[in-house]
Amino acid sequence: DAGVIQSPRHEVTEMGQEVTLRCKPISGHNSLFWYRQTMMRGLELLIYFNNNVPIDDSGMPEDRFSAKMPNASFSTLKIQPSEPRDSAVYFCASSLEGRGYTFGSGTRLTVV
Amino acid sequence: GQSLEQPSEVTAVEGAIVQINCTYQTSGFYGLSWYQQHDGGAPTFLSYNALDGLEETGRFSSFLSRSDSYGYLLLQELQMKDSASYFCAVNTNAGKSTFGDGTTLTVKP
Repeated sequence: DAGVIQSPRHEVTEMGQEVTLRCKPISGHNSLFWYRQTMMRGLELLIYFNNNVPIDDSGMPEDRFSAKMPNASFSTLKIQPSEPRDSAVYFCASSLEGRGYTFGSGTRLTVV
Repeated sequence: GQSLEQPSEVTAVEGAIVQINCTYQTSGFYGLSWYQQHDGGAPTFLSYNALDGLEETGRFSSFLSRSDSYGYLLLQELQMKDSASYFCAVNTNAGKSTFGDGTTLTVKP
């Protein structure tokens, strides 16, 4: 198993541009999570899906953030428009029944 | 909501034993997990405790006391490669995990 696959690994974009982060969870895992990690705020849960359905998006900072999971093998996190304060490492993780999460390698986003 | 407390930094020498504590406050508690994260890397799952007691996995052990809302990660025979951040995380019946702020472990020769 290749694990959780995220793309891109690094993204540098200008303020105001749209950013799309992608995630392929581990096959057979029924839960998918998007986290954001910064020095100031640590690991924050943005949104999570169970069986492709969004369950809790209370961590999404504002309407500029949106996430989709059109099928069991793919999810996207979109920021439109992006702002410098969105700069962070964004992790996708998946799990089976929530006992332990497998994280992807993350996307390091820099908004200038 | 959930809150977790763990020490921000711990230092130990190679070959020693170190314990990283975690206290939590939450509703709908299901279990406590531990993750390791090296600089520039992703968190890696170490252990999960749903019931009271000690779980051992090689050099790492994890303990949970549900009545005390307390757990710890025990690392034995420390090696330089164990230098990393360690996070405890509470898993709740809402199906999600909330992470602590992490403990930076520095292992010295």
